[in-house]
Amino acid sequence: DAGVIQSPRHEVTEMGQEVTLRCKPISGHDYLFWYRQTMMRGLELLIYFNNNVPIDDSGMPEDRFSAKMPNASFSTLKIQPSEPRDSAVYFCASSLVGSSLSYGYTFGSGTRLTVV
Amino acid sequence: DQQVKQNSPSLSVQEGRISILNCDYTNSMFDYFLWYKKYPAEGPTFLISISSIKDKNEDGRFTVFLNKSAKHLSLHIVPSQPGDSAVYFCAATQSGANNLFFGTGTRLTVIP
Repeated sequence: DAGVIQSPRHEVTEMGQEVTLRCKPISGHDYLFWYRQTMMRGLELLIYFNNNVPIDDSGMPEDRFSAKMPNASFSTLKIQPSEPRDSAVYFCASSLVGSSLSYGYTFGSGTRLTVV
Repeated sequence: DQQVKQNSPSLSVQEGRISILNCDYTNSMFDYFLWYKKYPAEGPTFLISISSIKDKNEDGRFTVFLNKSAKHLSLHIVPSQPGDSAVYFCAATQSGANNLFFGTGTRLTVIP
C-alpha cells in the first residue's frame, strides 16, 4: 500500500486566495482525520470523518475552513479566503476502527502551506 | 486549552545514553496514550502505546511509563542512537473515542 497520500507537498499562496488540500487515505480505512501542526499548538485536530461522514468538526478554526469527503478514497480541506495565520503544515491521517488504540493512525507526509 | 502537554521543546543526549521524554495530561478521562516519532518532511509515525490498566509497556529500546495519579507519562529510549533524532509527540485519547489529542512535541537530538 502506498500509504496516505497528500497533495500538494508545498503550497505558497497570496492572502485572500482559495487553497485546496487533498488527501487519499489507505484503502479500507474507515476513519479520516485532518490535523494542523504549528509550533505553538502542536498537532491540532481540525475534523474527522467516519465512512465519509463528518463526525466532529469542532476543531475547524473558522468558517473559512471547510472539508469534504465525497467518497472513501478522497478528501479535501479548503481554506477560503486564506490568511497568513493559516500558514502551517496540514496532515491527513487514516485508520481502521478498533485499531486506533493499538496502532494509532497512519499519517500522510503533510502539506506545508505558506500564505503571504 | 492544551489537554496534552510536552513542556520540553528540545532535548540533547549523547549516543548510547538514555533519553527521557516527558508528557503531562489534564483530562482524567484519557485512558490510552501513544507516542509518535516525526522526521523532517515526513508525517508522524506510531511508535508505542500504553493503556491505563498498565504502568509500563516495553518494545525493544523503547519503554513508556504511565503514572495515572500524576497524569504523567514518559518515554525512555535506551540506548539512544543518532537515528532516534526526531520530534516526538505524545498523544492521548479515551477508549471508544476516535480522536487523538497531541502535545506540542519534543525535538530529540542524539549526538554521536
